Amino acid sequence: KQEVTQIPAALSVPEGENLVLNCSFTDSAIYNLQWFRQDPGKGLTSLLLIQSSQREQTSGRLNASLDKSSGRSTLYIAASQPGDSATYLCAVRPSNDYKLSFGAGTTVTVRA
Amino acid sequence: KAGVTQTPRYLIKTRGQQVTLSCSPISGHRSVSWYQQTPGQGLQFLFEYFSETQRNKGNFPGRFSGRQFSNSRSEMNVSTLELGDSALYLCASSLVAQGDRGYTFGSGTRLTVV
Repeated sequence: KQEVTQIPAALSVPEGENLVLNCSFTDSAIYNLQWFRQDPGKGLTSLLLIQSSQREQTSGRLNASLDKSSGRSTLYIAASQPGDSATYLCAVRPSNDYKLSFGAGTTVTVRA
Repeated sequence: KAGVTQTPRYLIKTRGQQVTLSCSPISGHRSVSWYQQTPGQGLQFLFEYFSETQRNKGNFPGRFSGRQFSNSRSEMNVSTLELGDSALYLCASSLVAQGDRGYTFGSGTRLTVV
């Protein structure tokens, strides 16, 4: 059974600082890994999708890396802003299935 | 293009009642998945449908069921509601084809059981 862990559970940083969010998974037989953002009481917004054959993906201030063999992914958010305050979730899709396994998330607070 | 649409946004039900939630996927997406999100358990997979067939089911009691129609719209039903069924129910759709672009989630249905 795939276990997904996100560390830290919460993070508070001053505006402008870079954010580093970690995600680890136990089974390296994955099809892809997806990072989501969730605002309180809302649905999930997809940030980045990394296919198993890729090492990283970038979108604006966001960069996600994937090391499948070690079961790790890292989401970097450069020059954080108060609007980045949210919960960030990583989800892994196994190579032989269509259900996502989610981490518990990292709640980020960016202080103005 | 339109995203994933879930209706209703909020529901309040009484214990013992049943409820039906609806999800309309992105046009062209044939896979629809359902997830339950609670503060204690996080996001848990309920089931996934593709072309009207349930391909996978999570570890939930038989009170939770679903179906998918020929236009890919999906419904999930929870019968004999319990207080513990209070949660945010999220639906996700996916192309699930060559060039998989991952999952797109709806805004969810907040179910409160009293």
